[in-house]
Amino acid sequence: GAVVSQHPSWVICKSGTSVKIECRSLDFQATTMFWYRQFPKQSLMLMATSNEGSKATYEQGVEKDKFLINHASLTLSTLTVTSAHPEDSSFYICSARGRQRTDTQYFGPGTRLTVL
Amino acid sequence: AQSVTQPDIHITVSEGASLELRCNYSYGATPYLFWYVQSPGQGLQLLLKYFSGDTLVQGIKGFEAEFKRSQSSFNLRKPSVHWSDAAEYFCAVGARIDTDKLIFGTGTRLQVFP
Repeated sequence: GAVVSQHPSWVICKSGTSVKIECRSLDFQATTMFWYRQFPKQSLMLMATSNEGSKATYEQGVEKDKFLINHASLTLSTLTVTSAHPEDSSFYICSARGRQRTDTQYFGPGTRLTVL
Repeated sequence: AQSVTQPDIHITVSEGASLELRCNYSYGATPYLFWYVQSPGQGLQLLLKYFSGDTLVQGIKGFEAEFKRSQSSFNLRKPSVHWSDAAEYFCAVGARIDTDKLIFGTGTRLQVFP
């Protein structure tokens, strides 16, 4: 299957700083990418959907100024957690799919963010 | 509203035994249904999906799942579990008009004893 990578795999930062997480589709063009958040022992919660060249669509309750998403190319989407606080500590997972809505979503390995 | 329930948080089986992981969903119509597996350090991998047609779906790694509309269930099965199957398993539902929005269950952690 297709491969999606995330970088970094883990990051520790100080409260108040910003952190950027990259999501790349390595062998296919990802028209749409998704960002999820996963809390310990809980399910994945969709944060936002981004289409290449368009503004991201955020789910209800997700602060768009806090979680900046950029999908500048068909192989790269970035999530920037701005002014991070300890409550932003979580496991962030991206996924990517092709042009069709019924195309399979391929998931990245996730990024563990710890804010001190 | 859509929701997915995986009643079993943790399941332990012996290698070679059969396995069934339960998944119940709530949705007003027939949804798209998925099973994913997540191993440590790995991304979620799609095991199988149901969109329409035959309600018994075959997936990778010897897994299968059966869609039962009357029970709103999509249980995952495998006749003989291997130690490498130890992982976290997630059931997910996608709406037919917006399959982008996958609603995930809370997952079932499978432990396999030799």
